[in-house]
Amino acid sequence: AQKITQTQPGMFVQEKEAVTLDCTYDTSDPSYGLFWYKQPSSGEMIFLIYQGSYDQQNATEGRYSLNFQKARKSANLVISASQLGDSAMYFCAMRDVRMDSSYKLIFGSGTRLLVRP
Amino acid sequence: DTGVSQDPRHKITKRGQNVTFRCDPISEHNRLYWYRQTLGQGPEFLTYFQNEAQLEKSRLLSDRFSAERPKGSFSTLEIQRTEQGDSAMYLCASRGGRAAITDSNYGYTFGSGTRLTVV
Repeated sequence: AQKITQTQPGMFVQEKEAVTLDCTYDTSDPSYGLFWYKQPSSGEMIFLIYQGSYDQQNATEGRYSLNFQKARKSANLVISASQLGDSAMYFCAMRDVRMDSSYKLIFGSGTRLLVRP
Repeated sequence: DTGVSQDPRHKITKRGQNVTFRCDPISEHNRLYWYRQTLGQGPEFLTYFQNEAQLEKSRLLSDRFSAERPKGSFSTLEIQRTEQGDSAMYLCASRGGRAAITDSNYGYTFGSGTRLTVV
C-alpha cells in the first residue's frame, strides 16, 4: 500500500532562514508523483511544488525546492528565506497512479511550521 | 473561473441530524474528489467522481454518507444521523484531464472546505 510519512509534527524557523520539512514515502509502483501543499488556518490547500518519479532534476518553484532522493524514498521540502506568511501546515502527498485508479492523493499527517520574527 | 467553491464554510449541527454539503468544481474539470480532514491530520480520501459516475469510494464512507454529482457538475455530500466523530473539515477538489501535468498546479484544485462541528 502507498503511504506518506511526515515525522515532524511541528517546526520552528527564524525569519529569513531556510527550513527543511521531511517526507518519506512508500510505494511499489515505479511511476508516481509527489506533491507538497500548504494549508493556512483558513483551510484551503495551496499547491507548492510537484516532483515526478522519472524527473531527473529536483523540482524548484521560487523559494521552494524539493530534495528528491529516490533510493531513500524521500522528498523533503526546502523553504529558503522564510517569511512570516510561511507559517502554516505543510502536507506531503503522493498521487495514486495505479491502473484504473482515481489518481487520488494520499496525504501525510503534516508538519506545522511557525516562523519567528 | 473563481476556483472550487464549497458551501457552507461552517456548519454546526446536533448529533443525529442530517447535513448536506455542496461543492462546485472548476467548470471544465470532469473529475471531483471529496476528502475528510480531522484535526491535526492530513486529508483522507472519501470518494471520486468522473463526470456523474461515482467510481471509487473509501471504506471511510460508511452507509451514513452518500455523495452525488448529478449531471457531472456540482456535487453534494450528505451525512445522515451525524455523530460527534463526523466533526471534521470536508474538502472538495477537482481536476481536468488524465494527467494534466501541464496545469500550473498539476491538476488538483481544492476548495476552502466545509468545517463540520457535531455537538
